Amino acid sequence: ETGVTQTPRHLVMGMTNKKSLKCEQHLGHNAMYWYKQSAKKPLELMFVYSLEERVENNSVPSRFSPECPNSSHLFLHLHTLQPEDSALYLCASSQDPPGALSEKLFFGSGTQLSVL
Amino acid sequence: KQEVTQIPAALSVPEGENLVLNCSFTDSAIYNLQWFRQDPGKGLTSLLLIQSSQREQTSGRLNASLDKSSGRSTLYIAASQPGDSATYLCAVRPWDTDKLIFGTGTRLQVFP
Repeated sequence: ETGVTQTPRHLVMGMTNKKSLKCEQHLGHNAMYWYKQSAKKPLELMFVYSLEERVENNSVPSRFSPECPNSSHLFLHLHTLQPEDSALYLCASSQDPPGALSEKLFFGSGTQLSVL
Repeated sequence: KQEVTQIPAALSVPEGENLVLNCSFTDSAIYNLQWFRQDPGKGLTSLLLIQSSQREQTSGRLNASLDKSSGRSTLYIAASQPGDSATYLCAVRPWDTDKLIFGTGTRLQVFP
């Protein structure tokens, strides 16, 4: 494992369900990120937290709601999703704050989400 | 708006070949460029990070170069092995934003 753990690995949900994705980092990092990876598209940054404070919200629809209770844990709460939200959701962490010259990201294995 | 392009989208080579993966970006005003590896259904692993003031970085059989003026980076893999099979992504961090801009990747298959 890379030090960043994501659960569940796979998730199938209906459009009316509510579910949450969980990310935990064991690296002592100060920043955490949610990325979305859709087929044949570049990774899209969704949210960034630095020292538990949200510093980036990349115009993500409100049906995605992040939560960062402490520097080691990050959640993505899902509600009333659409089929086009089906994708691989990746969590990442970094020691340096977002934008630092030496910023190096460590990624989890992702949650493969399918919305029916 | 910064755009990152990777060509080819897919590459299949026999074991032992030296190969080059290409990454181009439209705006040369970048802080750094990173190369990542992604195995199927998995997250990304950072391979090499090149600062804007650097020309290249090396790690084992991997060598990445950066030419900011032409908006290009190459990842050179020497003596390729089946275990190198994965998708390789490059990402740049522009001056005017804190976020990485990713390419869509090159899917590499090395067959025995």
